[in-house]
Amino acid sequence: GAGVSQSPSNKVTEKGKDVELRCDPISGHTALYWYRQSLGQGLEFLIYFQGNSAPDKSGLPSDRFSAERTGGSVSTLTIQRTQQEDSAVYLCASSPGPGNTEAFFGQGTRLTVV
Amino acid sequence: GENVEQHPSTLSVQEGDSAVIKCTYSDSASNYFPWYKQELGKRPQLIIDIRSNVGEKKDQRIAVTLNKTAKHFSLHITETQPEDSAVYFCAARYNAGNMLTFGGGTRLMVKP
Repeated sequence: GAGVSQSPSNKVTEKGKDVELRCDPISGHTALYWYRQSLGQGLEFLIYFQGNSAPDKSGLPSDRFSAERTGGSVSTLTIQRTQQEDSAVYLCASSPGPGNTEAFFGQGTRLTVV
Repeated sequence: GENVEQHPSTLSVQEGDSAVIKCTYSDSASNYFPWYKQELGKRPQLIIDIRSNVGEKKDQRIAVTLNKTAKHFSLHITETQPEDSAVYFCAARYNAGNMLTFGGGTRLMVKP
């Protein structure tokens, strides 16, 4: 596809269940970012990948959150034992890589924990 | 790491007036400063960006200024229109990598 694709677009899950969110970056983009956006709030940084490695994991809120990226492409964000406070829109963005270039956002995954 | 502060958090203007949003950053090594617009229920989209070797950049009704010495940059929207109503985010990226740090956002409301 032409842009960053995220799936699912919406996810409702029960408290305590695990969820996996997927991000397909633009082909060839080496940098990938995950952000979280609660209703009406700003962009909370979670994790950033350069290729398959994550130089900065400082934003992950707890050890229930993990992320991986394989083949320098697709990334998955996993939230274990979901809590109601995890409810938010999870946004993924990618950019071409080294150098100061535009980051393109996906449409986000709206996660609701009930 | 980088820290970006954005003000104001909300801004209400009359249609046709100008709007100014300001951001400060902490890391003097930052050298790329994009601005994103997020309409309700949509993804953030880049509207303008500036690099540290430039002091000002304009694109029609939108302009961005950068003061490297003071470590602040601003977004200026002239002749505002109702469709400018959205949340605007500034960001900064430093040379050591590709980490993009966002400000807290400004909700701009343009009253017809």
